[in-house]
Amino acid sequence: EIVMTQSPATLSVSPGERATLSCRASQSVSSNLAWYQQKPGQAPRLLIYGASSRATGIPARFSGSGSGTEFTLTISSLQSEDFAIYYCQQYNEWKTFGQGTKLEIK
Amino acid sequence: QVQLVGSGGGVVQPGRSLRLSCAASGFTLTNYGMYWVRQAPGKGLEWVATIAYDADYKDYADFVKGRFTISRDKFRNTLYLQMNDLRAEDTAVYYCAREWGSGSYFDYWGQGSLVTVSS
Repeated sequence: EIVMTQSPATLSVSPGERATLSCRASQSVSSNLAWYQQKPGQAPRLLIYGASSRATGIPARFSGSGSGTEFTLTISSLQSEDFAIYYCQQYNEWKTFGQGTKLEIK
Repeated sequence: QVQLVGSGGGVVQPGRSLRLSCAASGFTLTNYGMYWVRQAPGKGLEWVATIAYDADYKDYADFVKGRFTISRDKFRNTLYLQMNDLRAEDTAVYYCAREWGSGSYFDYWGQGSLVTVSS
Protein backbone atom coordinates (compact mmCIF):
# COMPACT_ATOMS: atom_id res chain seq x y z
CA GLU A 1 0.00 0.00 0.00
CA ILE A 2 1.26 3.47 -0.88
CA VAL A 3 1.51 5.60 2.25
CA MET A 4 0.85 9.33 1.91
CA THR A 5 2.44 11.63 4.48
CA GLN A 6 1.34 15.25 4.81
CA SER A 7 3.24 18.02 6.55
CA PRO A 8 2.85 19.94 8.66
CA ALA A 9 -0.04 18.51 10.66
CA THR A 10 -1.14 22.04 11.49
CA LEU A 11 -0.23 25.25 9.70
CA SER A 12 -0.95 28.67 11.16
CA VAL A 13 -1.07 31.47 8.60
CA SER A 14 -2.50 34.98 8.58
CA PRO A 15 -5.20 35.99 6.09
CA GLY A 16 -3.69 37.41 2.93
CA GLU A 17 -0.49 35.42 3.30
CA ARG A 18 0.66 32.40 1.31
CA ALA A 19 0.22 28.84 2.57
CA THR A 20 2.30 25.91 1.38
CA LEU A 21 1.20 22.37 2.21
CA SER A 22 3.27 19.28 1.46
CA CYS A 23 2.44 15.69 0.61
CA ARG A 24 4.90 12.86 0.18
CA ALA A 25 4.25 9.39 -1.26
CA SER A 26 6.10 6.28 -0.11
CA GLN A 27 6.68 5.41 -3.78
CA SER A 28 6.15 7.16 -7.07
CA VAL A 29 2.53 7.97 -7.96
CA SER A 30 3.46 9.84 -11.15
CA SER A 31 1.01 12.77 -11.36
CA ASN A 32 -1.93 10.77 -10.02
CA LEU A 33 -2.45 13.00 -7.03
CA ALA A 34 -5.51 14.92 -5.88
CA TRP A 35 -6.09 17.51 -3.16
CA TYR A 36 -9.35 17.92 -1.24
CA GLN A 37 -10.57 20.60 1.12
CA GLN A 38 -12.81 19.71 4.05
CA LYS A 39 -14.58 22.20 6.30
CA PRO A 40 -16.19 21.20 9.62
CA GLY A 41 -19.37 19.22 9.14
CA GLN A 42 -18.95 19.07 5.37
CA ALA A 43 -17.86 16.50 2.85
CA PRO A 44 -14.47 16.82 1.19
CA ARG A 45 -14.38 18.93 -1.96
CA LEU A 46 -12.08 18.26 -4.89
CA LEU A 47 -9.59 21.09 -5.45
CA ILE A 48 -6.80 19.69 -7.59
CA TYR A 49 -6.39 16.56 -9.72
CA GLY A 50 -3.52 15.33 -11.84
CA ALA A 51 -1.24 17.06 -9.30
CA SER A 52 -1.75 20.50 -10.86
CA SER A 53 -5.16 20.82 -12.57
CA ARG A 54 -7.78 22.86 -10.77
CA ALA A 55 -11.24 21.33 -10.50
CA THR A 56 -14.24 23.20 -11.84
CA GLY A 57 -15.00 26.35 -9.91
CA ILE A 58 -11.82 26.36 -7.83
CA PRO A 59 -10.25 29.84 -7.52
CA ALA A 60 -6.92 30.52 -9.18
CA ARG A 61 -5.28 31.18 -5.81
CA PHE A 62 -5.15 27.40 -5.36
CA SER A 63 -2.33 25.71 -7.23
CA GLY A 64 -0.75 22.28 -7.13
CA SER A 65 2.68 21.11 -8.19
CA GLY A 66 4.96 18.12 -8.07
CA SER A 67 5.24 14.62 -9.46
CA GLY A 68 6.64 11.29 -8.41
CA THR A 69 6.78 11.37 -4.63
CA GLU A 70 6.76 15.06 -3.67
CA PHE A 71 3.75 17.33 -4.03
CA THR A 72 2.75 20.80 -2.91
CA LEU A 73 -0.52 22.67 -2.58
CA THR A 74 -0.12 26.43 -2.52
CA ILE A 75 -2.78 28.94 -1.60
CA SER A 76 -1.43 32.27 -2.75
CA SER A 77 -3.41 34.72 -0.63
CA LEU A 78 -5.48 33.17 2.11
CA GLN A 79 -9.11 34.11 2.41
CA SER A 80 -11.20 33.46 5.51
CA GLU A 81 -13.05 30.63 3.76
CA ASP A 82 -9.79 28.77 3.07
CA PHE A 83 -9.17 27.79 6.68
CA ALA A 84 -9.98 24.09 6.68
CA ILE A 85 -8.37 20.66 6.56
CA TYR A 86 -6.63 19.61 3.37
CA TYR A 87 -6.08 16.03 2.27
CA CYS A 88 -3.94 14.65 -0.50
CA GLN A 89 -4.87 11.38 -2.19
CA GLN A 90 -2.95 9.20 -4.60
CA TYR A 91 -4.83 7.21 -7.21
CA ASN A 92 -1.91 5.67 -9.04
CA GLU A 93 -2.19 2.37 -7.23
CA TRP A 94 -5.63 1.97 -5.72
CA LYS A 95 -6.40 5.03 -3.56
CA THR A 96 -4.91 6.20 -0.31
CA PHE A 97 -5.22 9.45 1.59
CA GLY A 98 -2.79 11.47 3.62
CA GLN A 99 -3.68 12.17 7.23
CA GLY A 100 -4.49 15.80 6.51
CA THR A 101 -3.11 19.26 7.23
CA LYS A 102 -5.20 21.62 9.31
CA LEU A 103 -4.85 25.20 8.06
CA GLU A 104 -5.72 27.57 10.88
CA ILE A 105 -5.82 31.31 11.32
CA LYS A 106 -2.73 32.82 12.90
CA GLN B 1 -26.39 19.15 -11.61
CA VAL B 2 -24.67 16.20 -9.96
CA GLN B 3 -25.89 15.42 -6.47
CA LEU B 4 -25.32 12.58 -4.03
CA VAL B 5 -27.70 12.48 -1.08
CA GLY B 6 -26.89 10.08 1.70
CA SER B 7 -29.30 8.65 4.24
CA GLY B 8 -29.76 5.78 6.66
CA GLY B 9 -27.32 6.65 9.43
CA GLY B 10 -28.16 6.39 13.09
CA VAL B 11 -27.32 4.84 16.43
CA VAL B 12 -27.10 1.05 16.52
CA GLN B 13 -25.97 -1.50 19.07
CA PRO B 14 -22.87 -3.62 18.50
CA GLY B 15 -23.59 -6.69 16.43
CA ARG B 16 -26.62 -5.15 14.74
CA SER B 17 -27.10 -4.09 11.13
CA LEU B 18 -27.73 -0.88 9.22
CA ARG B 19 -28.12 0.01 5.57
CA LEU B 20 -26.88 3.28 4.13
CA SER B 21 -28.25 4.75 0.92
CA CYS B 22 -26.82 7.29 -1.49
CA ALA B 23 -29.28 8.64 -4.03
CA ALA B 24 -27.66 9.99 -7.16
CA SER B 25 -29.07 12.63 -9.47
CA GLY B 26 -27.70 14.48 -12.47
CA PHE B 27 -25.88 11.39 -13.73
CA THR B 28 -26.35 7.63 -14.13
CA LEU B 29 -24.72 5.41 -11.51
CA THR B 30 -24.09 2.65 -14.02
CA ASN B 31 -21.62 4.89 -15.86
CA TYR B 32 -19.31 5.44 -12.90
CA GLY B 33 -17.37 3.59 -10.26
CA MET B 34 -18.73 4.44 -6.83
CA TYR B 35 -17.12 4.32 -3.42
CA TRP B 36 -17.88 4.47 0.25
CA VAL B 37 -15.33 6.36 2.32
CA ARG B 38 -15.57 6.82 6.07
CA GLN B 39 -14.21 9.24 8.62
CA ALA B 40 -14.11 8.38 12.30
CA PRO B 41 -14.62 11.32 14.69
CA GLY B 42 -11.62 13.64 14.49
CA LYS B 43 -9.80 11.31 12.11
CA GLY B 44 -8.88 11.17 8.44
CA LEU B 45 -10.49 9.61 5.39
CA GLU B 46 -10.56 5.86 4.93
CA TRP B 47 -11.73 3.83 1.93
CA VAL B 48 -14.40 1.25 2.79
CA ALA B 49 -15.82 -0.27 -0.40
CA THR B 50 -16.08 0.16 -4.13
CA ILE B 51 -18.32 -1.01 -6.96
CA ALA B 52 -17.22 -0.71 -10.58
CA TYR B 53 -19.40 1.01 -13.16
CA ASP B 54 -20.62 -2.34 -14.49
CA ALA B 55 -21.03 -3.81 -10.97
CA ASP B 56 -18.92 -6.80 -12.01
CA TYR B 57 -16.17 -5.77 -9.64
CA LYS B 58 -16.59 -5.05 -5.94
CA ASP B 59 -13.94 -4.70 -3.31
CA TYR B 60 -13.74 -4.04 0.40
CA ALA B 61 -11.24 -2.85 2.95
CA ASP B 62 -9.98 -5.73 5.08
CA PHE B 63 -11.61 -4.31 8.22
CA VAL B 64 -15.13 -4.63 6.72
CA LYS B 65 -14.67 -7.65 4.47
CA GLY B 66 -17.31 -10.27 5.18
CA ARG B 67 -19.46 -7.80 7.13
CA PHE B 68 -20.30 -5.02 4.65
CA THR B 69 -21.83 -5.32 1.18
CA ILE B 70 -21.90 -2.63 -1.49
CA SER B 71 -24.64 -2.69 -4.10
CA ARG B 72 -26.72 -0.43 -6.30
CA ASP B 73 -30.18 -0.21 -7.79
CA LYS B 74 -29.97 1.07 -11.33
CA PHE B 75 -33.69 1.83 -11.49
CA ARG B 76 -33.56 3.96 -8.35
CA ASN B 77 -30.09 5.25 -9.29
CA THR B 78 -29.08 4.60 -5.71
CA LEU B 79 -25.97 3.18 -4.08
CA TYR B 80 -26.17 1.11 -0.89
CA LEU B 81 -23.92 -0.10 1.88
CA GLN B 82 -25.30 -2.96 3.94
CA MET B 83 -23.42 -3.07 7.23
CA ASN B 84 -23.74 -6.18 9.39
CA ASP B 85 -22.15 -7.16 12.68
CA LEU B 86 -21.33 -3.56 13.47
CA ARG B 87 -18.56 -2.79 15.91
CA ALA B 88 -17.74 0.27 17.99
CA GLU B 89 -14.79 0.98 15.68
CA ASP B 90 -17.20 1.34 12.74
CA THR B 91 -18.47 4.57 14.27
CA ALA B 92 -17.87 7.21 11.61
CA VAL B 93 -19.39 9.48 9.03
CA TYR B 94 -19.84 7.48 5.85
CA TYR B 95 -19.54 9.31 2.55
CA CYS B 96 -20.45 8.05 -0.89
CA ALA B 97 -18.20 9.36 -3.64
CA ARG B 98 -18.12 9.21 -7.42
CA GLU B 99 -14.97 8.21 -9.22
CA TRP B 100 -14.43 10.48 -12.20
CA GLY B 101 -12.93 7.75 -14.36
CA SER B 102 -11.65 4.25 -13.74
CA GLY B 103 -8.70 4.42 -11.39
CA SER B 104 -9.18 8.12 -10.86
CA TYR B 105 -10.02 10.70 -8.19
CA PHE B 106 -13.36 11.49 -6.52
CA ASP B 107 -15.09 14.40 -8.20
CA TYR B 108 -18.32 14.41 -6.21
CA TRP B 109 -19.11 13.43 -2.63
CA GLY B 110 -22.33 12.94 -0.72
CA GLN B 111 -22.94 14.95 2.44
CA GLY B 112 -22.25 11.98 4.71
CA SER B 113 -24.26 9.80 7.08
CA LEU B 114 -23.24 9.43 10.72
CA VAL B 115 -23.21 5.89 12.06
CA THR B 116 -22.75 5.49 15.80
CA VAL B 117 -22.25 1.99 17.18
CA SER B 118 -22.85 1.99 20.90
CA SER B 119 -24.59 -0.06 23.53
